[in-house]
Amino acid sequence: DAGITQSPRHKVTETGTPVTLRCHQTENHRYMYWYRQDPGHGLRLIHYSYGVKDTDKGEVSDGYSVSRSKTEDFLLTLESATSSQTSVYFCAISEFNLDDNEQFFGPGTRLTVL
Amino acid sequence: RKEVEQDPGPFNVPEGATVAFNCTYSNSASQSFFWYRQDCRKEPKLLMSVYSSGNEDGRFTAQLNRASQYISLLIRDSKLSDSATYLCVVNEAGGSYIPTFGRGTSLIVHP
Repeated sequence: DAGITQSPRHKVTETGTPVTLRCHQTENHRYMYWYRQDPGHGLRLIHYSYGVKDTDKGEVSDGYSVSRSKTEDFLLTLESATSSQTSVYFCAISEFNLDDNEQFFGPGTRLTVL
Repeated sequence: RKEVEQDPGPFNVPEGATVAFNCTYSNSASQSFFWYRQDCRKEPKLLMSVYSSGNEDGRFTAQLNRASQYISLLIRDSKLSDSATYLCVVNEAGGSYIPTFGRGTSLIVHP
């Protein structure tokens, strides 16, 4: 299995509080991604990074920010959590290769916003 | 907006059956295609890439039809352990690598 971990694995928080989720990889892959997965929506891209300090928005970026100060770490911050951000969050990594862009996913973080 | 569409199912099949899923995509410039498998409450994992010439891995066969813009996954001799959600993933050509996921097709294999 690819070396990718997420922390915390579960979190319950209250509306209005900031929350930071961490993704850590040991594969030295260039690309890192944050997705959320909700019933009926599948996986939706929040933000992604294509290198240290290089990030861009995905499909559902409102209310989220990210940072990547090191190759191995990609942080997702919910600046002021809302109940609509209750979801399962997956981090993924990949190397940029046009022919074989396999993504490796972390185990997920289950976030509940009360 | 890029679209990747899958029938959510569930597909309920007996052990030993053959089952096929399709996935349609809207962007004709799409470059590469994949099937992922996701078990309940787990992360997605790559099942197989889909090549223009089609490819086979044991009981699993993937096909690409660029003219009609769909990919397919065929599972022969279904096992109980094949029960999962199968996600179709499509990547665009060139530029940044941003994949688009389908919502997944649920497969339940029963004894």
